[in-house]
Amino acid sequence: DAGVTQTPRHEVAEKGQTIILKCEPVSGHNDLFWYRQTKIQGLELLSYFRSKSLMEDGGAFKDRFKAEMLNSSFSTLKIQPTEPKDSAVYLCASRGTGVQDTQYFGPGTRLLVL
Amino acid sequence: GEKVEQHESTLSVREGDSAVINCTYTDTASSYFPWYKQEAGKSLHFVIDIRSNVDRKQSQRLIVLLDKKAKRFSLHITATQPEDSAIYFCAASPASNTNKVVFGTGTRLQVLP
Repeated sequence: DAGVTQTPRHEVAEKGQTIILKCEPVSGHNDLFWYRQTKIQGLELLSYFRSKSLMEDGGAFKDRFKAEMLNSSFSTLKIQPTEPKDSAVYLCASRGTGVQDTQYFGPGTRLLVL
Repeated sequence: GEKVEQHESTLSVREGDSAVINCTYTDTASSYFPWYKQEAGKSLHFVIDIRSNVDRKQSQRLIVLLDKKAKRFSLHITATQPEDSAIYFCAASPASNTNKVVFGTGTRLQVLP
């Protein structure tokens, strides 16, 4: 079984650019999460989907961050426009149908905004 | 909302010794406490969890203790090995809203030879 896949693994962007990160969850998983990981803030939830419906859209991130899930096997996270403070690792995770199932994390996309 | 504090940002132990990572939480409604491990250059993966109906759980060399009164939980790694070196994240979520999994900031464990 394939785990969670994320592309690209690394991204370098100029300030003001638009970037799109992609995630494919584990097949059959119901829930999908986007997180941002930095050394200072740790793991911050950006978005949460259940059965493709957006359940949580992390308040502080609403302005320039938009996550979408057009089908159950693919999600995107758009950052527009990028700022240097967006430099971080962006993690996608998926979870099965049980309310307390484990989250499976993807390898992450390391974003550097110059 | 829930806040999870992970008290040790770094921890070094000698191979074979035990390591203990402590976390506290604020929301009394939290009832599910997973732990994740992140090895260098890799993503997080689940290692063990505990639910609020028990106060101790063991899986091989990993033991999780939960003190609901103190709102504290801890991960004990016994007989540490070099491959235990990683960043460990604790997390908490209420049973009624498990999308609200709140993570600690991580503890970097180094197992020295």
